[in-house]
Amino acid sequence: YVLTQPPSVSVAPGKTARITCGGTNIRSYSVHWYQQKPGQAPVLVIYYDSDRPSGIPERFSGSNSGNTATLTISKVDAGDEADYYCQVWDFSSDHYVFGTGTKVTVL
Amino acid sequence: QVQLQESGPGLVKPSETLALSCTVSGDSVSSSSYYWSWIRQSPGKGLEWIGYVSDSGSTNYNPSLKSRVTISVDTSKNQFSLRLSSVTAADSAVYYCATDRPEVGTTSRFFDTWGQGTQVIVSS
Repeated sequence: YVLTQPPSVSVAPGKTARITCGGTNIRSYSVHWYQQKPGQAPVLVIYYDSDRPSGIPERFSGSNSGNTATLTISKVDAGDEADYYCQVWDFSSDHYVFGTGTKVTVL
Repeated sequence: QVQLQESGPGLVKPSETLALSCTVSGDSVSSSSYYWSWIRQSPGKGLEWIGYVSDSGSTNYNPSLKSRVTISVDTSKNQFSLRLSSVTAADSAVYYCATDRPEVGTTSRFFDTWGQGTQVIVSS
């Protein structure tokens, strides 16, 4: 199963960033999102399409419909500059699949 | 809260076997419902799931690496380990250990705990 993300997204401070994750009938999967800052391990920011772990700001939200899942970051600030990865678990193979990753740049 | 810490050689020669360990603190590696995974990230590239070992000792590997990978648990040290044989320069990467512990009845899995990662370079 292949998950495709745009290589980069640029957004001005205070605006909204939307990061897409495309996959065939992805709506039939639950999508999870990770934030990875340079030199650090990934951190879970959204699970089960739209749930936030404790400690993750409400500015982070997610949705999943059709062939595209979306991570939305509202009121972006410099601290949100990072790589973001989507991930699904393929029940039939019991494998984890990551998306190609998106670098978010705050202008 | 489980914490993970990778350890192992930072330099491996081509054709040899890469061996890394992940020390688990905060819980037992044999506690029920855990899936202990290895994930790698090549320089400037994305995340690649390598495989997992479960609390029961069952394993599952990424098909692209399956012929060269072994993941196992050492309960005496509260660790799980990765062995990757016949390495080449393409195996140079930061290697992360990570875990998930899905609740009963859940329909998906994700990684809620990660180690800090350890860099491995394959070079003679």
